[in-house]
Parts: sequence; C-alpha cells; structure tokens
Amino acid sequence: DQQVKQNSPSLSVQEGRISILNCDYTNSMFDYFLWYKKYPAEGPTFLISISSIKDKNEDGRFTVFLNKSAKHLSLHIVPSQPGDSAVYFCAATLYGNNRLAFGKGNQVVVIP
Amino acid sequence: NAGVTQTPKFRILKIGQSMTLQCTQDMNHNYMYWYRQDPGMGLKLIYYSVGAGITDKGEVPNGYNVSRSTTEDFPLRLELAAPSQTSVYFCASSMGDGYTFGSGTRLTVV
Repeated sequence: DQQVKQNSPSLSVQEGRISILNCDYTNSMFDYFLWYKKYPAEGPTFLISISSIKDKNEDGRFTVFLNKSAKHLSLHIVPSQPGDSAVYFCAATLYGNNRLAFGKGNQVVVIP
Repeated sequence: NAGVTQTPKFRILKIGQSMTLQCTQDMNHNYMYWYRQDPGMGLKLIYYSVGAGITDKGEVPNGYNVSRSTTEDFPLRLELAAPSQTSVYFCASSMGDGYTFGSGTRLTVV
C-alpha cells in the first residue's frame, strides 16, 4: 500500500517557465514532508521540506505548498533551469520517526 | 567530510552468489537505512538502524541481512542472490530530520 503517491511520472517544461510537481499522501498522521532531487548515477539530495504547521515554505526558486485537508503537496520551481532536469521524490514522515515514505518520483526535463 | 560512502558502485552477481554492500558515514549519525530503487518504483526501505547494535526490518527485507556493530558502518548482506534483487541500492544516514544518501550501488544478478 503506497502511502505517498506521485502521478504524472514525467514533465517537460521550457527554461524560464514554472515546473509544478504534485504529491498525495494517504496517512493523515504524517506531519513532515520533504522533496529530494536525484541526478543519474547519484544519490538523492535534500531539496526542501515543510512541517504540517505551515502551508508554504520557500527557498529561492523552490516553493512547497501543503494542503492538509486534501492530503496534497506540491513543489513549484520558478523559473525552471536546465540544471533542474532530474528526478524529484516526495517523502513524508512523522516528525521524529526517522523513517521516510517515498513516492515513485517525477522526471523533470527542462528544455533550453 | 565524505558524508555517506557506498562501495562498490557496480557489481554483477551470478544467481546464488553472496556479497556485502558496504556503507559508511562520517557524520556521527545515529540512524542509517538501506533502500532499493527499482525502475519507476521509487525507494523501498529494506532495513534500518537507530543506533549501533540495533537493526530492524523495513518494507522489503526478504533475502537481505544487516548488522550495525559501529555507528559508522551499516553493511547489507545478500546471501543467495536472485534476479529479483537486481536494483540500485542506496544507503542513507540521518540525525533526526532529512536523510543524507550515498551515491548508490548498481547490482545486477544474472
């Protein structure tokens, strides 16, 4: 039973435009959410996170929005750059639990 | 600061062979994890450890074993390799939030 779901496995976007990645979760107990970025032949690297006490967290070009009632979060990348071409994983946990549940990932391709 | 180091990066095994995937971290993290990533399937937790001497099963532990004799090292053992274990394996460590991942081991069982 997949607790974190990422649909639309791939996304192509023009450089300079917005990339929006979506993530849904089923466990209402989750209270901490993270996005990881993965390049080929490398391990995932932490990108941005959000606690359930917030509905938005911003870090430079990356913003994560959380809608707890819908059990939905999204990652916005503005403006998209060619270096953003990667696989993005959504992850969720109970804060302090130290076990992350991951989605399947979204492939993003930014076209120069 | 090396972070999380995994060896080897690539390996081809024959069915029935055994091997150990090595993982070491130099950040003094208590928590360590082993994940496997199959194409289009995301990351599945195999085993994890909350500290030296303590390990526990994740979602997909069958066919694997782990040990945690020191804080730094968390090796993953495959005793009888099967084609279903062909995957990319990632080790990660954590101090309480967010993980630091190694660069992965690509294993092929033929």
